[in-house]
Formats: sequence, structure tokens, C-alpha cells
Amino acid sequence: AQSVTQLGSHVSVSEGALVLLRCNYSSSVPPYLFWYVQYPNQGLQLLLKYTSAATLVKGINGFEAEFKKSETSFHLTKPSAHMSDAAEYFCAVSESSNTGKLIFGQGTTLQVKP
Amino acid sequence: NAGVTQTPKFQVLKTGQSMTLQCAQDMNHNSMYWYRQDPGMGLRLIYYSASEGTTDKGEVPNGYNVSRLNKREFSLRLESAAPSQTSVYFCASDMTTTEAFFGQGTRLTVV
Repeated sequence: AQSVTQLGSHVSVSEGALVLLRCNYSSSVPPYLFWYVQYPNQGLQLLLKYTSAATLVKGINGFEAEFKKSETSFHLTKPSAHMSDAAEYFCAVSESSNTGKLIFGQGTTLQVKP
Repeated sequence: NAGVTQTPKFQVLKTGQSMTLQCAQDMNHNSMYWYRQDPGMGLRLIYYSASEGTTDKGEVPNGYNVSRLNKREFSLRLESAAPSQTSVYFCASDMTTTEAFFGQGTRLTVV
């Protein structure tokens, strides 16, 4: 069965610092992997997705993630945090191209300090 | 372009009451989904509809029913609400191989 683990329910960084949000997955087949962001009282917005093309995936708002099959990881990074990045971030996996049927991680709340 | 629209946005129910959450999308997507979001648990799939006329159970279907009314609309019904169903409910839709688009959510409290 598929599963997703996000390490750290809360991450705090200073503005301008590196953002690193960790995601590990398990899947018996080559996965489709996603990062979503949720701002307070809003729905989820896709940041980026991996669908077996390039292993380094670039998304919106300066975020990127690297698919590492050997480590079963798909960590999200951003070189320099901005106050507007404060939100909850979800990693998700799908076994099929039916990309709305997702298994989500528990979520990581990113706090950005001035 | 409205995307995925959910109604209502907020609802308070008494234990045992019933209600239907409505979802409509205007993107001509084939597939639609209902998720619930609980603190520390991410989102979990309740039911989904791969195409008009079909529905399937997700990870946590107990206590819920769904109807795919037409290609645009997918409703979620709670027949007899329980406090354990207090949650934020999200509807989503997609076309195969594209990203899933989410609604703004319905915050449901069962007292």
C-alpha cells in the first residue's frame, strides 16, 4: 500500500533562509508525486509534480523538489524564504495517472520569522 | 472562471441530523473527489467518481454517500451526522494526467 510521511509537523525559518520540507513515500509502482500548499482557510493549490520526467522539478513561487528513487524521497526546497510562504504544505502520491486520487502526508506548517 | 465551487462554506449540525454538501466544477473534468481534512492527518479520500455515472469508495467511506448528478456536480451526503464527522471537507476534480483542482472547503461541525 502507498503511504507518505512528512518529517516535522512544524518548520520555522527566518526570512531569507533556506526552506527544506521533507517527504518520504512508499509505493510498489513508479509513483506520481505532488506538493500542494494550503493558505489559511483556503483550498489546496498545486506547487509542483513529478510524473517520471526530470527528477528535479521546478514549481511555482521559486519552489523545487528532487525525486530520489534510492531514498524514496521527494523533498521540497526554496533557497530564500519569504513571509508569504507561511502556509501548510502537503506531499501526496498517486499510483496512477488518475492524479486526483491521492494519498496525502500529514502536512507541515511552515512559519517564516521576520 | 469559478473552478470548483463548494456549498455551504460553514455548517453546524446536531448529532443525527442529515445534510448534503454540494460540489460543482466548470472545467469539464471527468473525475471528481471528496476528501476530509483533519488536524495531523492530512487529507483522506472519502469517495470518488472517475466519470459520470460511476462512484467508488476511498479510504474513509463509512457514514457517507455520494451522488454524481451529472458531469459537473458531485454531492456528499451525511445521513446521520456524528461528532467524528466534524472536519473540513474538500471537493476536487481533474482530467486524467492533469493536476487536481480543489474547492475552498466546507467546515462542518457536528455537536
